[in-house]
Amino acid sequence: DSGVTQTPKHLITATGQRVTLRCSPRSGDLSVYWYQQSLDQGLQFLIQYYNGEERAKGNILERFSAQQFPDLHSELNLSSLELGDSALYFCASSVALVGGAETQYFGPGTRLLVL
Amino acid sequence: EDKVVQSPLSLVVHEGDTVTLNCSYEVTNFRSLLWYKQEKKAPTFLFMLTSSGIEKKSGRLSSILDKKELSSILNITATQTGDSAIYLCAVNSGAGSYQLTFGKGTKLSVIP
Repeated sequence: DSGVTQTPKHLITATGQRVTLRCSPRSGDLSVYWYQQSLDQGLQFLIQYYNGEERAKGNILERFSAQQFPDLHSELNLSSLELGDSALYFCASSVALVGGAETQYFGPGTRLLVL
Repeated sequence: EDKVVQSPLSLVVHEGDTVTLNCSYEVTNFRSLLWYKQEKKAPTFLFMLTSSGIEKKSGRLSSILDKKELSSILNITATQTGDSAIYLCAVNSGAGSYQLTFGKGTKLSVIP
């Protein structure tokens, strides 16, 4: 158990719908990362938040957005869902020591299936 | 664009064998290289290698970073069926962010 929690574990929805994935980082971690894992693309970085502020963006679609709240939990919002959005969505957290290398710890993931 | 390549993509060995998994990278502003083990779901952290820590060992697992060759290897000795998993290599690079770029992984199957 990494200490990172994600809800829900599974989500089944229809095309065109909107869903929200939730992540609580490890105690003390200020940085939250979202990743998407699909069979053909592997693990792809989506977006990073640090202490409530967006820090970096990766391969995140405009239909997707995220935020980090004052209590440091984060939500990833996926809208106008398409079949190709079906994937495992992971959240990871780290202490984010500025200027230093850091280790990211992954949550159990949310499996999204779009029908 | 940052790139991480792992080889082989899959590997089948017998219990007790020793395996070597490879990872090569092309990134701007390298910070660290991380190895993860992914079984059923979440990747679990194994090692982090940096310029100041190029070799790590934990039990039967060990890893070395070759900064000159821009590569790393993960060795597993005396493999067990519990070592069956996908092993992911990731590189942390980029100024101001600690995002990870992952390789596609090596699927290791250890048969009794």
